Formats: sequence, C-alpha cells, structure tokens
Amino acid sequence: DGGITQSPKYLFRKEGQNVTLSCEQNLNHDAMYWYRQDPGQGLRLIYYSQIVNDFQKGDIAEGYSVSREKKESFPLTVTSAQKNPTAFYLCASSPKALTQGGRNTEAFFGQGTRLTVV
Amino acid sequence: AQSVTQLGSHVSVSEGALVLLRCNYSSSVPPYLFWYVQYPNQGLQLLLKYTTGATLVKGINGFEAEFKKSETSFHLTKPSAHMSDAAEYFCAVIKYNFNKFYFGSGTKLNVKP
Repeated sequence: DGGITQSPKYLFRKEGQNVTLSCEQNLNHDAMYWYRQDPGQGLRLIYYSQIVNDFQKGDIAEGYSVSREKKESFPLTVTSAQKNPTAFYLCASSPKALTQGGRNTEAFFGQGTRLTVV
Repeated sequence: AQSVTQLGSHVSVSEGALVLLRCNYSSSVPPYLFWYVQYPNQGLQLLLKYTTGATLVKGINGFEAEFKKSETSFHLTKPSAHMSDAAEYFCAVIKYNFNKFYFGSGTKLNVKP
C-alpha cells in the first residue's frame, strides 16, 4: 500500500546528541514537510521541500537540518543546538507544491515519531 | 497574526448528541480549508476539505463542514456523536500563494456514554 513511513515510532536520546528521524513516501509526491507538535500549540512547520535537492526553512527551523537527495526520502536531523527537542514529529507529503492549488491539494501524514531527550 | 482559530481546546458531548467544532480563519483571500483528525500517538487523517465549488463539504465518518465566507468560518459538525469520534481535531488553511498549512491549536473531543 502507498503511504508515508516514519521511523522509529519512539526515540530516546541523551542531551547533546544529534539524532536523525526517517521519513519515506512511496506516493510519488513532489513536496514533503516536517512538522513539530507540542501540546496545545498545534503543528508548527520546521522545513519543507518542493522538489528533490531543494528545501526551505519553515517557522521553527533553528536547531534542525534536512536533506532531499531522493524524491521519496526527507530525513530530519535534530541537532544539539535545538534547545527543546522533546516533541512529537510529523512528516507529511503532498502531490505538488501547495502553491499550485487545485482540487487535489492536501497533505498526507505519517504516523509520527515521538522523540524524548533525557 | 493568527491565521486559524479554533474555539475551545476541549469539547465534551454525550453519545448521540450533535458535534460542533468551531474554526475561524483570517485571510483577505478565501483559502483552502481542511479538517484533520488525530488519534493518540498517531498521525493526522484528512476528514474533509474545501478547495472550490460547493461550500457544504461532506467528509468521512459522517462529518461535514460549511465554508462561510461572510463569517470567515469553517465549522465541523456531525449530527450524532459516536464513542469512536473521541480524538483531537485540527482545522487548517492554505493561504493563497503560501506553500504551507496553517494549523489551529486543536480541539480535543470527548464523547461521554
């Protein structure tokens, strides 16, 4: 079945360590996104990518990095510079960049990765 | 500026009662509008969306929403709540020429037996 796979579902890391969250999609979508979710704050955009080898900062990019070397993969690295990394991270994809509009505009989400830094 | 406002972080209804979750957006241009549902420790699942056309949109699981431009609202309703509807619901918009979703802060729906 087509979809978005995030791994692992739960991740524990020591403070000061970098950690990479995986996101893979087999939907042949052009655009991919990373969101961070904290209780009572909704979802906040970290990074997004409209095409391979291109990505843009979202609203809270500090302390994070991404790459988009393949269409189906968009890994997120949480660096030691991120002051409050403990959160639920959601990856999403959309058929085309959202700015293109149209009836098929929507985002598909993975099941999330809960990162806990101790 | 807040683009999406969801009134009520927690809503509680009895099983069989009407569900009404409120969403207002701030945009000078009618945006694309979405409702997503999230179960604990899960991703978001699309309930319904408005892009163009009919302003009353029907979604999955018996939910529907109406886009009211004059009120800048996109409230989510369901005539009869079921226990399985207990979850967190997010309203989201895509503003014209912006390449991202703006999410509301979410409303947790509790359904009492």
